[in-house]
Amino acid sequence: DGGITQSPKYLFRKEGQNVTLSCEQNLNHDAMYWYRQDPGQGLRLIYYSQIVNDFQKGDIAEGYSVSREKKESFPLTVTSAQKNPTAFYLCASRNPGYEQYFGPGTRLTVT
Amino acid sequence: GESVGLHLPTLSVQEGDNSIINCAYSNSASDYFIWYKQESGKGPQFIIDIRSNMDKRQGQRVTVLLNKTVKHLSLQIAATQPGDSAVYFCADTRTSGTYKYIFGTGTRLKVLA
Repeated sequence: DGGITQSPKYLFRKEGQNVTLSCEQNLNHDAMYWYRQDPGQGLRLIYYSQIVNDFQKGDIAEGYSVSREKKESFPLTVTSAQKNPTAFYLCASRNPGYEQYFGPGTRLTVT
Repeated sequence: GESVGLHLPTLSVQEGDNSIINCAYSNSASDYFIWYKQESGKGPQFIIDIRSNMDKRQGQRVTVLLNKTVKHLSLQIAATQPGDSAVYFCADTRTSGTYKYIFGTGTRLKVLA
């Protein structure tokens, strides 16, 4: 069964803690993306990676970090420097035809 | 459920009627467009795409129309069903660029029984 998996579905953390969100895909896509979704707003790009061992900052990268050591995996770390981390985080991958597919998302709540 | 989609424009349609959801984009260089459906608490689901060399593309019960002159995209859903209730949004990108996508804020579709 091919697709994109994100875990966990819900994540709770205390302020000041770093937290890593998992994203795995078995679609053999080179490009992967992390977005943040807040109520009433369009998706905002945090980081993207077009190939293994390479990634670029998106529009709201401050307070986040990523790695791309394997084609299948693109984990996102939300650091304590992120001022408003509570949000719905979406991972996506893109095929060579530019179709972009999303995972089920992780709802992060920081208190 | 998730609070995604608060304060979005809402389209209410009777079950069985056709729905038309609109989207405006701003980048005249965009040449690839996608429509997504997002149910509460879930990730967006790819519905249909269209490239700038086309004006219309049809899928199963859905049709996307592209008007490049006014930078407007629409999604038509035929014979709307209760399961179509969701937030719908468009995305556009320039395929010769960095493959970044710009997303609309979305429209909430409510299907009335």
